Amino acid sequence: DAKTTQPPSMDCAEGRAANLPCNHSTISGNEYVYWYRQIHSQGPQYIIHGLKNNETNEMASLIITEDRKSSTLILPHATLRDTAVYYCIVRRSSNYKLTFGKGTLLTVNP
Amino acid sequence: NAGVTQTPKFRVLKTGQSMTLLCAQDMNHEYMYWYRQDPGMGLRLIHYSVGEGTTAKGEVPDGYNVSRLKKQNFLLGLESAAPSQTSVYFCASIRDAGNTIYFGEGSWLTVV
Repeated sequence: DAKTTQPPSMDCAEGRAANLPCNHSTISGNEYVYWYRQIHSQGPQYIIHGLKNNETNEMASLIITEDRKSSTLILPHATLRDTAVYYCIVRRSSNYKLTFGKGTLLTVNP
Repeated sequence: NAGVTQTPKFRVLKTGQSMTLLCAQDMNHEYMYWYRQDPGMGLRLIHYSVGEGTTAKGEVPDGYNVSRLKKQNFLLGLESAAPSQTSVYFCASIRDAGNTIYFGEGSWLTVV
């Protein structure tokens, strides 16, 4: 399975950019990288996804390296409400499995 | 367009009882997934389906069965509930590669 590796925790000051890294070195050429977050035990919330090019939406930016082995989620101006567990996910194209890693607990401090 | 709906949201079962969780989506999505999440843990894949009439095992399939008789519904069954199956269960669906993955709000199951 396309395994992803993320740091277990990160801190960020309110108002600053939060940069969350993800390693997905076994990703295949047609597999997308997705980022979701989860606050407490709520359902995962969609943030952004991409294939090769960098992507930006109203929530975040996604930077994917040229070799596609890693990516970075950027929250440009973190707020206290961005405190959550962030998951980087790759959906396998061979068997369509969608598995989660342990994610990164981002804590935004005042 | 209601997205992904899970039923029931809360349930308490006695050990040995059976029950079925329903995941329904109205977006004509091909792929559907069932996860469980234990306290302080990430989501673990139980079973999934790549289309109507298909099912496949995930990471933690033991003790669960699934069925996808209709494209819009994915059922997760516990034939003989055990306390170890106390968890929050999430369902997800996606149309195809590159599309957004939609998640339900979760079903809290307690087995006593």
